[in-house]
Amino acid sequence: DQQVKQNSPSLSVQEGRISILNCDYTNSMFDYFLWYKKYPAEGPTFLISISSIKDKNEDGRFTVFLNKSAKHLSLHIVPSQPGDSAVYFCAARPRGTSYGKLTFGQGTILTVHP
Amino acid sequence: EPEVTQTPSHQVTQMGQEVILRCVPISNHLYFYWYRQILGQKVEFLVSFYNNEISEKSEIFDDQFSVERPDGSNFTLKIRSTKLEDSAMYFCASSEQGLTNTEAFFGQGTRLTVV
Repeated sequence: DQQVKQNSPSLSVQEGRISILNCDYTNSMFDYFLWYKKYPAEGPTFLISISSIKDKNEDGRFTVFLNKSAKHLSLHIVPSQPGDSAVYFCAARPRGTSYGKLTFGQGTILTVHP
Repeated sequence: EPEVTQTPSHQVTQMGQEVILRCVPISNHLYFYWYRQILGQKVEFLVSFYNNEISEKSEIFDDQFSVERPDGSNFTLKIRSTKLEDSAMYFCASSEQGLTNTEAFFGQGTRLTVV
């Protein structure tokens, strides 16, 4: 099942710089997209989301961009901090299903160096 | 801050045995979910539960699996006869609403090891 893909398994960034995490999807029925962060031995923690009717959503240091024609979304973290080091999952929900039925990408390990 | 709690954090069981994984969702949430993550693989949806019944399930959620909300606070996942391939991290999640845009909150997970 490759409906949601995160092609970069890892990303390394210097503290203070921008982190850009990418996600591609293939299912046109997805209408809501989310980013989750996960630390080892913990469950995924919600970060930010975007509806398919928007192309940008911002929350503090986190901004998610959605390009529906390219079926691509990205998460920008500015400025990156060492505490942001974690696995980041992109997830998507099909239209008309219960909210929690999410399809996850395989995750990108972000490492922010001091 | 309210959170989803799961017990136990790690469960080891023999193949063929039944296991019950327990979750206490956030108290005012109405929708409950189970996900799993096999080591090195994606987080996968198993089942969603609302109003005391399953609302959706994936093809992974076969007859070996069942869910229950036995007492109004706990939400359980039962695997009747465990197989080696059931070894995974199992995450419970809950959300305030289902079809509107509220995020699902995840518990810390139960690591199930089938030997």
